[in-house]
Amino acid sequence: AQKVTQAQTEISVVEKEDVTLDCVYETRDTTYYLFWYKQPPSGELVFLIRRNSFDEQNEISGRYSWNFQKSTSSFNFTITASQVVDSAVYFCALSEQRRGAQKLVFGQGTRLTINP
Amino acid sequence: SQTIHQWPATLVQPVGSPLSLECTVEGTSNPNLYWYRQAAGRGLQLLFYSVGIGQISSEVPQNLSASRPQDRQFILSSKKLLLSDSGFYLCAWSTKQGKVGTEAFFGQGTRLTVV
Repeated sequence: AQKVTQAQTEISVVEKEDVTLDCVYETRDTTYYLFWYKQPPSGELVFLIRRNSFDEQNEISGRYSWNFQKSTSSFNFTITASQVVDSAVYFCALSEQRRGAQKLVFGQGTRLTINP
Repeated sequence: SQTIHQWPATLVQPVGSPLSLECTVEGTSNPNLYWYRQAAGRGLQLLFYSVGIGQISSEVPQNLSASRPQDRQFILSSKKLLLSDSGFYLCAWSTKQGKVGTEAFFGQGTRLTVV
């Protein structure tokens, strides 16, 4: 069965520090997709990134970067020069195919607190 | 642009009462629709998904049901709520393009407390 593990339950850092959120996944599929979502205090999930299993290039978007390593089944997320607005719960997710649709298998989430 | 509306935002219901949560999507047609639940301090779990009107698939056995009476409307219901139904319910949609690998877009959620 598909599984996503986010071992870090909570992380607290001071503003401007860099922080890495870990994500490890398990799947038997050869083709799969990984996602990161942000859940601010308001509750909605905000889509951040999607990565397919054939693309192992790291991606950078502003202060955000993602490191996908298939050999270790990891898809880690780094925030550089963190800001208070980055405080949220972050979820890593793995796609699992359903008939005509897909299921997202989520990790337990990492609560990130950025202190001023 | 596409938007997803979910209501109510919060709900407090007594045990044994009925439930109806509604979700509508605008700006797209024939979407896949999903209901997820987030229990306190835990990740999200898929409850139901729908690929079309009247087509509902359940992921986990439970006290809840779902219906899709219109293309962009998805309803989560219960005839009699249990304490264990408390949680944060999120509706989501995705396009059918590519089936697997399309990102899901979430509503703002409904926080349900059963007392």
